[in-house]
Amino acid sequence: QVQLVESGGGVVQPGRSLRLSCAASGFTFSSYGMHWVRQAPGKGLEWVAVIWFDGSNKYYADSMKGRFTISRDNSKNTLYLQMSSLTVEDTAVYYCASNKGSYGYHGMDVWGQGTTVTVSS
Amino acid sequence: QSALTQSASVSGSLGQSITISCTGTSSDVGGYNYVSWYQQHAGKAPKLMIYDVTNRPSGVSNRFSGSRSGNTASLTISGLQAEDEADYYCSSYTSSSHWVFGGGTKLTVL
Repeated sequence: QVQLVESGGGVVQPGRSLRLSCAASGFTFSSYGMHWVRQAPGKGLEWVAVIWFDGSNKYYADSMKGRFTISRDNSKNTLYLQMSSLTVEDTAVYYCASNKGSYGYHGMDVWGQGTTVTVSS
Repeated sequence: QSALTQSASVSGSLGQSITISCTGTSSDVGGYNYVSWYQQHAGKAPKLMIYDVTNRPSGVSNRFSGSRSGNTASLTISGLQAEDEADYYCSSYTSSSHWVFGGGTKLTVL
């Protein structure tokens, strides 16, 4: 079945880095745009970044630009989020989600279960 | 990019209809046909309910419908059921090539 599985979350100290992964299965991963979305404890959804189906374009939320890098390996059906200079404000559940189209414009129709990132000293 | 504006909470009785609004600007909600709505039950991942303003993904009940007037998008749920109780978020593409979510609306079914 269509599935996204995130991994790589954990507890990390402020200022350190972490890489999240999102493994896709059950669909043609290389045909779809992919997003990262996060949700801080008790808060709403916050868009993080998007990457087009072929990796040719990437866009980031202003608060993450320069610190986070989205990438994908279509040969491995895997999406990544490299996060650096982490702060306590980055503590959240991070979801990957596939777009209904090749870019990012349409709805996010398949979501992973999320991976929790806790930034704490 | 500021979050889209949603009311914090809404309630309705079983069988009734409710509407959740999502207000943005001409640079997001009003400017592109890329508004979507998500349902999130406590502790679960979000689920796409409406995309491209009015389209319903396969498998989503036809009790859910989307619309837009100017810079405000709306999600209407008719024939409220107990399982509709959840948080609902709108989202839109923006002129900055970003995506933005609303603050979320908590639906209580009485």
